Amino acid sequence: DAGVIQSPRHEVTEMGQEVTLRCKPISGHDYLFWYRQTMMRGLELLIYFNNNVPIDDSGMPEDRFSAKMPNASFSTLKIQPSEPRDSAVYFCASSFGNEQFFGPGTRLTVL
Amino acid sequence: QKEVEQNSGPLSVPEGAIASLNCTYSDRGSQSFFWYRQYSGKSPELIMFIYSNGDKEDGRFTAQLNKASQYVSLLIRDSQPSDSATYLCAVNPGNTPLVFGKGTRLSVIA
Repeated sequence: DAGVIQSPRHEVTEMGQEVTLRCKPISGHDYLFWYRQTMMRGLELLIYFNNNVPIDDSGMPEDRFSAKMPNASFSTLKIQPSEPRDSAVYFCASSFGNEQFFGPGTRLTVL
Repeated sequence: QKEVEQNSGPLSVPEGAIASLNCTYSDRGSQSFFWYRQYSGKSPELIMFIYSNGDKEDGRFTAQLNKASQYVSLLIRDSQPSDSATYLCAVNPGNTPLVFGKGTRLSVIA
């Protein structure tokens, strides 16, 4: 298996623009997680899904953030409108059981 | 609030020495414990997990768990410069996702 796949790897955008991050989990994994990592706050859980259903989105910072998982092999995290404070590395991870496996991340810069 | 605490470091050790990384957690009902290694600019990579009290060894790595003290540690024997990274402790408090610490930055000096 290729592992968790994320795209794009880097995204530079201007404040106010819509940003869509994409994730393909490992085949057979039933949990999918979206994280944000910054130097100041470390790794923060934004939202997670079980069998494509959102279970807990309490970590989503604002209504500007939304996430979907239309099927077992694809998820998106959307930020609309984006702001400079959204600049961070966004990781997607998947698991079957307790062990989570992370994708390579998307480095987002909002100017 | 379920918390996982780690010393942010940096922890500097000479090449060949034992590096000891420590983690404490607040939820006494936690059942499983994980160590992730994260190189600069890369994603976290699972290197060890432990479920039972005591020690678990895998090559140069040993995870130690003491549930009574709510303490988990990672020992790296014969440390190499390639071990220089941030080490994240993660705890499974039960029917919720992993809770991660902020990580300890390890620097192995050649």
